[in-house]
Amino acid sequence: AQTIHQWPVAEIKAVGSPLSLGCTIKGKSSPNLYWYWQATGGTLQQLFYSITVGQVESVVQLNLSASRPKDDQFILSTEKLLLSHSGFYLCAWTSNTGQLYFGEGSKLTVL
Amino acid sequence: GDSVTQTEGPVTVSESESLIINCTYSATSIAYPNLFWYVRYPGEGLQLLLKVITAGQKGSSRGFEATYNKETTSFHLQKASVQESDSAVYYCALGENNYAQGLTFGLGTRVSVFP
Repeated sequence: AQTIHQWPVAEIKAVGSPLSLGCTIKGKSSPNLYWYWQATGGTLQQLFYSITVGQVESVVQLNLSASRPKDDQFILSTEKLLLSHSGFYLCAWTSNTGQLYFGEGSKLTVL
Repeated sequence: GDSVTQTEGPVTVSESESLIINCTYSATSIAYPNLFWYVRYPGEGLQLLLKVITAGQKGSSRGFEATYNKETTSFHLQKASVQESDSAVYYCALGENNYAQGLTFGLGTRVSVFP
């Protein structure tokens, strides 16, 4: 069975500080991977997707970057956080039928 | 671009009453979108409730139903008799057959069912 794990579960960070959120998928070879973000009261907004190692496509510009260093790993990061980065970040992968499987999410609070 | 509009929450309903959450979509870049309902129960992750990939078809799961209506570009979620355990946030979403680019979600509708 496939599992998806995100870390950290929650972070409280200062404006201007760096951030790194991680996501690991086990049990699925060459998955399509996604980062979604949800601001408080907002919709789930797709940020990035990756269909293979080393390739990442940006969907929305939020002064964030993403990388896929391994087949099963997807990293979201920035060198300088903004207040507007606060929210809930979800990593996901798709099955062959298009169903999205989400991780538990990482809650980010920027102060 | 593509977009999804759904009933604005929160929605409060009593147990055994009926529930309908409206969802309409605009798929400007997708000729034949696939439609989904996702749900997040308290303390749990976001998960698929049901999906329909063909216009005119109905999907069902856990007593919920949704019909893909291409004429009205709608995909309303309904349940005839809700239970307290249906309290959750429900998201309507659309995607294309090539799922590489992921899904477009609505804002989500928080539903609270009271006994």
